[in-house]
Amino acid sequence: DVVMTQSPLSLPVTLGQPASISCRSSQSLVFSDGITYLNWFQQRPGQSPRRLIYKISNRDSGVPDRFSGSGSGTDFTLKISRVEAEDVGVYYCMQATHWPLTFGGGTKVEIK
Amino acid sequence: EVQLLESGGGLVQPGGSLRLSCAASGFTFSIYAMSWVRRAPGKGLEWVSAISGIGGSTHYAGSVKGRFTIARDNSKNTLYLQMNSLRAEDTALYYCASNCVGDCYSDFQHWGQGTLVTVSS
Repeated sequence: DVVMTQSPLSLPVTLGQPASISCRSSQSLVFSDGITYLNWFQQRPGQSPRRLIYKISNRDSGVPDRFSGSGSGTDFTLKISRVEAEDVGVYYCMQATHWPLTFGGGTKVEIK
Repeated sequence: EVQLLESGGGLVQPGGSLRLSCAASGFTFSIYAMSWVRRAPGKGLEWVSAISGIGGSTHYAGSVKGRFTIARDNSKNTLYLQMNSLRAEDTALYYCASNCVGDCYSDFQHWGQGTLVTVSS
């Protein structure tokens, strides 16, 4: 199985400051069609997961532009340019290139 | 508006069975692949199972293979997860999520609110 390793596990951030979450996969996530199926999700307390980013860097409709995704191959990053109170929650990366599909362990973003 | 509504969760004894349902609306359910994802207490998200739009292809996580069966009834716009031989470690909030058209499983754009399964004696 592809192991998705996220860091850090916990990320205390000051309001208005940037935040960065790393996600590393145990093998390349480039599919045979040349596309990298790497998603990022946000799960706020008491809510269902919400997709923020798909295929590494494509932001979903309604997602603030302070969220951005980047990376390639086995190394990926989610950045929040200026953290707001509503960004508190757990963030997950997920690969959909290889079976079984796998999620990272999650990064908990909280306000200092 | 896409809506996914899970039901069927509850308390079940170890070794027991349960069938979860996910009623879909707001999109052409029959052509979309669908998935089940769970989150155990204090843990992260875990993909459980997926089924193609027509239902010809199914996929399972190793932790549930042989015990869980995913199915769909396109005439009722409903996704199912039959869970047998349940274990304490299957205790979790179970979500259904939409994937993409056909035999495509990368999407996860829409999620239900989840249904809670508790396996305990």
